[in-house]
Amino acid sequence: NAGVTQTPKFQVLKTGQSMTLQCAQDMNHEYMSWYRQDPGMGLRLIHYSVGAGITDQGEVPNGYNVSRSTTEDFPLRLLSAAPSQTSVYFCASSLDIGGYNEQFFGPGTRLTVL
Amino acid sequence: AQRVTQPEKLLSVFKGAPVELKCNYSYSGSPELFWYVQYSRQRLQLLLRHISRESIKGFTADLNKGETSFHLKKPFAQEEDSAMYYCALRGPSNQFYFGTGTSLTVIP
Repeated sequence: NAGVTQTPKFQVLKTGQSMTLQCAQDMNHEYMSWYRQDPGMGLRLIHYSVGAGITDQGEVPNGYNVSRSTTEDFPLRLLSAAPSQTSVYFCASSLDIGGYNEQFFGPGTRLTVL
Repeated sequence: AQRVTQPEKLLSVFKGAPVELKCNYSYSGSPELFWYVQYSRQRLQLLLRHISRESIKGFTADLNKGETSFHLKKPFAQEEDSAMYYCALRGPSNQFYFGTGTSLTVIP
C-alpha cells in the first residue's frame, strides 16, 4: 500500500496562474480532506469529502475547488493563485467519518505563489 | 465556535523528566479529541484519541470537560519523543480543527 500520495512535492506559481494539487489513496477510504498549514496557524481544513460525488467546505474554502469522481482521488484546484495561498498543503484520508477511524496524512505539497 | 488552543509553541524538557503538552478546546457539543504527532521528516500521524483511553508510547491524555482540556502527558520523556504535537477536535459535520502545535525538544 502506498497510503496517501500527493503530487507535486513542491510548486512555484505566479499570481493568477491555476493548478491542481493531486491526492490519491489506495486504502479504499471514504473520507478525504485537504488542509493548509501556515506558520502559527496550525492545520486548517479547506474542503472534505465523505464519499465519491460528495464534497463540502471546510474552514477556509475560498479560492479552492475540489471534486471527488472516484473513491481514490481528491484533487484540489487553485483557479487563480494568490500570494495568500502560499502554504503547505496536506491531504488526508480515513476509512469513514467515525471517531474511531484514524486519519492518514500525505507527505504534503509546499506551494509558493509569487 | 470550535477552537483548539495549544498555548506553548515550544517546549523543552530534559530526558527522564515529566512532560505535559497543554491543549484546551472550545466546543458546545460532546467533544472528540485527538493528539497527532509529526516526527522530523515524517508524516503527521495519530498518536492517541480520547475515546480509546489508551496509552501510546507512554503518552496519555485525559479529557477534562470541566476545564475543557485534553493535556498530553508522559512521566519520563525520551529523546525520540522530540517532535511537533498537534491537538485536534472533531466538530460538527465531521470537520477537524487543529491547534497551532507544540514543538517538543527532549534534551539528552
